[in-house]
Formats: sequence, C-alpha cells, structure tokens
Amino acid sequence: LAKTTQPISMDSYEGQEVNITCSHNNIATNDYITWYQQFPSQGPRFIIQGYKTKVTNEVASLFIPADRKSSTLSLPRVSLSDTAVYYCLVGDPAGNTGKLIFGQGTTLQVKP
Amino acid sequence: EAEVAQSPRYKITEKSQAVAFWCDPISGHATLYWYRQILGQGPELLVQFQDESVVDDSQLPKDRFSAERLKGVDSTLKIQPAELGDSAMYLCASSLVDRDEQYFGPGTRLTVT
Repeated sequence: LAKTTQPISMDSYEGQEVNITCSHNNIATNDYITWYQQFPSQGPRFIIQGYKTKVTNEVASLFIPADRKSSTLSLPRVSLSDTAVYYCLVGDPAGNTGKLIFGQGTTLQVKP
Repeated sequence: EAEVAQSPRYKITEKSQAVAFWCDPISGHATLYWYRQILGQGPELLVQFQDESVVDDSQLPKDRFSAERLKGVDSTLKIQPAELGDSAMYLCASSLVDRDEQYFGPGTRLTVT
C-alpha cells in the first residue's frame, strides 16, 4: 500500500509559482499519482493525474522523475483563491494495489 | 455540469440515535465511495461500491455503520447508534471506473451531541 508524505503547510504570495512535493517511496509499477484540491466545507476536487515525466493541464503541472519515488505539483502564478488543502494520492487505476489514501494534505496559504 | 448530490447537508443528532445519509452519484458512474473526514484530517475511505456490490469496506465500523446501493445507483449510509466520535463530514464521491477521477459531493456535516 503506497503511502505518501507531504509538507503540512506552505505559504506563498499572489503571482508566485508554488511547488508542492510529495514523497511516495514504495510506489508500485501500476500506480498513478493524483492530486486533489479541497476548500473548507467542500469535497475535494480533482486537479491532475500522471504516471511519469510531465503532465500539464489548464490549472497545474505535475512533474514525476524517472524513479517515480516523488512528484511535484506546480501551480503557476497563484491567487488568493488557490488557498486550500492539496492532497497527493497514489494508486492503481485498475484497483490492484489497495485503496487510495488521502493523507493529511498540504495546506497552502496564499497571501496578498 | 453533472454533480454528485448529497442530503442532508447538515445533521445534528443525539448520541444513541440513528442517522442516515443519502448520495446520488453522477449518472453512469459505476463506482461510488463514502468517506469520513474529521476536521483537520484527510478523507478516510469507509466503503466503496462497484455497481451494487461492496468492493472495500475494510474501514467501515460494521457494528454501527451500514451502507447499501441496492440498484447500483444511489446509496445510503446509516449509523446506529451514533456516538460522539462520529461527528465529522461525510463525503460521497463517484467515478466512471475504479480509481478514475473521483467527483465529490458537497458532504453532510454530522454533529453528535
């Protein structure tokens, strides 16, 4: 069962790029890496998912090194509305390596 | 945009009482999840359904919690009797297939007094 480790909290300022790193040393061959965002009193929202190298969508980029033991979520030019908790999850889309675990997440505080 | 519906949004109940939560997933989503989230922690998976079948309920306190998805569409999570430690946000999510992107509902905030 792949466990993830993230920083508990991070601070940033508006307009800066924010990088949140997640460690997953025992990631399995079939596991994907998925990031979710959660605002207070709301359910988590999918941000991005990747398997290796780099994935980019309209809101974020996900960087995964060759050994896949860590990954970095990159948020370009954050705004105050990006203040939220960010969760890194590791799991097999085919469901073969156990359930997904959210962990404690990283609380990002964006300041003006 | 299709959304996961949950009701009620808020529930206050006394300990030892029964309480039930309802979830209607996005149409066509075969996989349904119930999570419990205690304030300051990440969501914890309680039960996962694939259509009407339970595929994972290893973290469900089965002495007091039950969940069903009889027709493979909407689902009900029940707690009987409720305990003070059950106070939390109960989140429902659905996905097209197992481990695909999960869509979460707004949650039910339960307070047990």
